[in-house]
Amino acid sequence: GAVVSQHPSRVICKSGTSVKIECRSLDFQATTMFWYRQFPKQSLMLMATSNEGSKATYEQGVEKDKFLINHASLTLSTLTVTSAHPEDSSFYICSAGQGANSNQPQHFGDGTRLSIL
Amino acid sequence: EDQVTQSPEALRLQEGESSSLNCSYTVSGLRGLFWYRQDPGKGPEFLFTLYSAGEEKEKERLKATLTKKESFLHITAPKPEDSATYLCAVQAYGFNKFYFGSGTKLNVKP
Repeated sequence: GAVVSQHPSRVICKSGTSVKIECRSLDFQATTMFWYRQFPKQSLMLMATSNEGSKATYEQGVEKDKFLINHASLTLSTLTVTSAHPEDSSFYICSAGQGANSNQPQHFGDGTRLSIL
Repeated sequence: EDQVTQSPEALRLQEGESSSLNCSYTVSGLRGLFWYRQDPGKGPEFLFTLYSAGEEKEKERLKATLTKKESFLHITAPKPEDSATYLCAVQAYGFNKFYFGSGTKLNVKP
């Protein structure tokens, strides 16, 4: 199956630090990538959808200036949590899809556990 | 509004004890229904896609079925390694994004 690589797998840092998470599609061109947040014992909450070469579409309630998304190539999207605070601590997961008109499954990275002290 | 409800929230089975997980959905035109398996601390792993009512897919001990209102994931003679959280997601026509259910946490005891 399709392989999506996400790095780093775990980050522990001080409050006020900005953290960048990378999501790479290793074996197919991901026109669309998705960023999710998952709280303990809860399901995936979509934060934003990013399309290669254009601005990301954020879900209601997600701060654009807080969670910066860049999707500069068909194989790489990045999520930067700016000036992170303890309430930003969570499990962040990316997925890669095959375009706006695709009904194919999304393939997920292994997530990034972010802990802000 | 598009919605996905999974039940039960948690399920404990003895090894070999078959059962089914339910995913009920409300969507304005189903484009696809997806089943994933998620292990603790990992991202979801794709299992099946179902596109139309009556469709069935099978893989080892798992079988997924679809009606116009719900999907079932049947687990036949489960083993401890089947223990995981199983997630269901739907995609509506005209939209990229998936709506995920809250998952069923399956625990299979040896």
